[in-house]
Amino acid sequence: ETGVTQTPRHLVMGMTNKKSLKCEQHLGHNAMYWYKQSAKKPLELMFVYSLEERVENNSVPSRFSPECPNSSHLFLHLHTLQPEDSALYLCASSQGQGLYQSDTQYFGPGTRLTVL
Amino acid sequence: AQSVTQPDIHITVSEGASLELRCNYSYGATPYLFWYVQSPGQGLQLLLKYFSGDTLVQGIKGFEAEFKRSQSSFNLRKPSVHWSDAAEYFCAVAIRSGNQFYFGTGTSLTVIP
Repeated sequence: ETGVTQTPRHLVMGMTNKKSLKCEQHLGHNAMYWYKQSAKKPLELMFVYSLEERVENNSVPSRFSPECPNSSHLFLHLHTLQPEDSALYLCASSQGQGLYQSDTQYFGPGTRLTVL
Repeated sequence: AQSVTQPDIHITVSEGASLELRCNYSYGATPYLFWYVQSPGQGLQLLLKYFSGDTLVQGIKGFEAEFKRSQSSFNLRKPSVHWSDAAEYFCAVAIRSGNQFYFGTGTSLTVIP
């Protein structure tokens, strides 16, 4: 496979469930990102990892827990979510390490999450 | 606070017509500027980006964008739209001094025959 893949593509969960989103990049990149895309709202940057270390956490509620076991994989663990957390969750990766603002980000297709 | 504004929520153009999508940002210094496109059911794909130098930037699929510092704008243009250009377009800003990216709310483009 090439590029950035995300699984599952669709997920429906209850508020008491625990689930995980998975992202894998096959580009040899050093930085990975989680974004939340809600209808009528701008994409929200949630977390950034560079060389498997978290470098940014934009005040995301603790019910979202990221994990980056290596530079190719990124997870988003979900527990006790709320209906307003329903959204498209996008993963992205980029080449650089350290200051990476100028890097091109390559996005996966997203996971469509519905919280009942 | 930094922000990115895309004033047009939805635009409809005829195939073959020219296109301009507007983007304005609010930030004291010149940021890095990007345009992304998102087709239905897909992730975002980079069309072009501006860091410095020539203010007219060429991108993929025949798109170009012009950075105008005086207007804090980075408008996307295409001289002749194709039906396959129908998608959601996002302008984004990266702040040079910090690890932050800001996206606009997007402009949905419909192309009619």
